Amino acid sequence: EAGVTQFPSHSVIEKGQTVTLRCDPISGHDNLYWYRRVMGKEIKFLLHFVKESKQDESGMPNNRFLAERTGGTYSTLKVQPAELEDSGVYFCASSELTGGSRNIQYFGAGTRLSVL
Amino acid sequence: AQSVTQLGSHVSVSEGALVLLRCNYSSSVPPYLFWYVQYPNQGLQLLLKYTTGATLVKGINGFEAEFKKSETSFHLTKPSAHMSDAAEYFCAVRPSNDMRFGAGTRLTVKP
Repeated sequence: EAGVTQFPSHSVIEKGQTVTLRCDPISGHDNLYWYRRVMGKEIKFLLHFVKESKQDESGMPNNRFLAERTGGTYSTLKVQPAELEDSGVYFCASSELTGGSRNIQYFGAGTRLSVL
Repeated sequence: AQSVTQLGSHVSVSEGALVLLRCNYSSSVPPYLFWYVQYPNQGLQLLLKYTTGATLVKGINGFEAEFKKSETSFHLTKPSAHMSDAAEYFCAVRPSNDMRFGAGTRLTVKP
């Protein structure tokens, strides 16, 4: 079974440009999470989807970030316009909504975003 | 607020030596606790978790961790380090839906 996949693995853009990150969760996982790790610091929560609905977006830094999950399958995270401080590794995770494994979040390999 | 502190951003051990990675958390309620590992160019992989029950939790690759409520700790150990254990390790607590991570500890294993 495929795990959580993220695309691209690495993106280098200039300040002011737009970038869209994609996450494909494990099939059947209704919970989808986005996290970010700025260099050398802890991984921080950005937001949480349950199916197509935003359950919690308290970690989103500002309105330059827009996350969507149309149809409740894959999710995108768009940064527009990108700033230097947006550089970091963006992780996506998914988990089951119910059942014994609902407390386990499975992570993708991350997208490394470099804003120059 | 829940938070996680990992003592030591870098830990270096010799092959065959004991691995001890420290994690302390702050929590007003019994938390769910996790250790994840990230190998180079890979995603975060779950090593082990504590939810309820036995406080000594065994994970993959010979790692284990003990939940000590009185010390609010969840330290990760392995009796004998292998070269393949070199990676970055993250302790995390799950107070609600999201995970709160420590800053990570990079483990280096010397031959």
